[in-house]
Amino acid sequence: QVQLVESGGGPVNPGGSLRLSCATSGFAFRDFYMGWVRQAPGKGLEWVSYISGSSVDKYYSSSVRGRFTISRDYGRNSVDLQMSSLRAEDTAVYFCARLRANYYYFDYWGQGAQVTVSS
Amino acid sequence: SNVLTQPPSVSVAPGGSATITCVIDIVGGKSVHWYQQKPGQAPLLVMYYDSDRPSGIPERFSGSNSGNTATLTIRRVEAGDEADYYCQVRNYGGDPDVIFGGGTKLTVL
Repeated sequence: QVQLVESGGGPVNPGGSLRLSCATSGFAFRDFYMGWVRQAPGKGLEWVSYISGSSVDKYYSSSVRGRFTISRDYGRNSVDLQMSSLRAEDTAVYFCARLRANYYYFDYWGQGAQVTVSS
Repeated sequence: SNVLTQPPSVSVAPGGSATITCVIDIVGGKSVHWYQQKPGQAPLLVMYYDSDRPSGIPERFSGSNSGNTATLTIRRVEAGDEADYYCQVRNYGGDPDVIFGGGTKLTVL
């Protein structure tokens, strides 16, 4: 069965960096787009980034563009989110999700990783 | 502005029908997808491509999209349906590329 497991969350100071990783299993990793969606405390869902199966296409929301970088590791079947210049408003639970690229919907989600940006 | 507008809350008695709307203010026709999120859990896809149900989602859940409004309908509502529901579209050529609605809290009375 499809499984997505995030890791790497935690507390970080403003201006700092953090790398999230999403380990995947149960499907042909290279055949699917993958994405990240976050949820600030008490707020709704916000798309962050996604990457194509080949890693050729990468898209980011304007709120993270230039600060976050998405990548894939085909040896580990994982997708990473490198976050830098972190701000308090980046505090959220970050969900990894598989993206179906025909109609762009997320069909499987991880359990989420908490990122807290605070001094 | 590229937005999806949902009512903040909807209430329904057990056994009744709940209708959650998503007003789409985006240029061009869009396929709408819906997610259910219970407290402390990851979102769960309950409807995609306007009206297709993923495997394992009860037939009580249905979707439609007409004009600029998409609708998620839940019939014979159960206590376990109480959750936040989010609509989502891809904003082709726009920024952001993927948009979520603000969410609707479904309360089962």
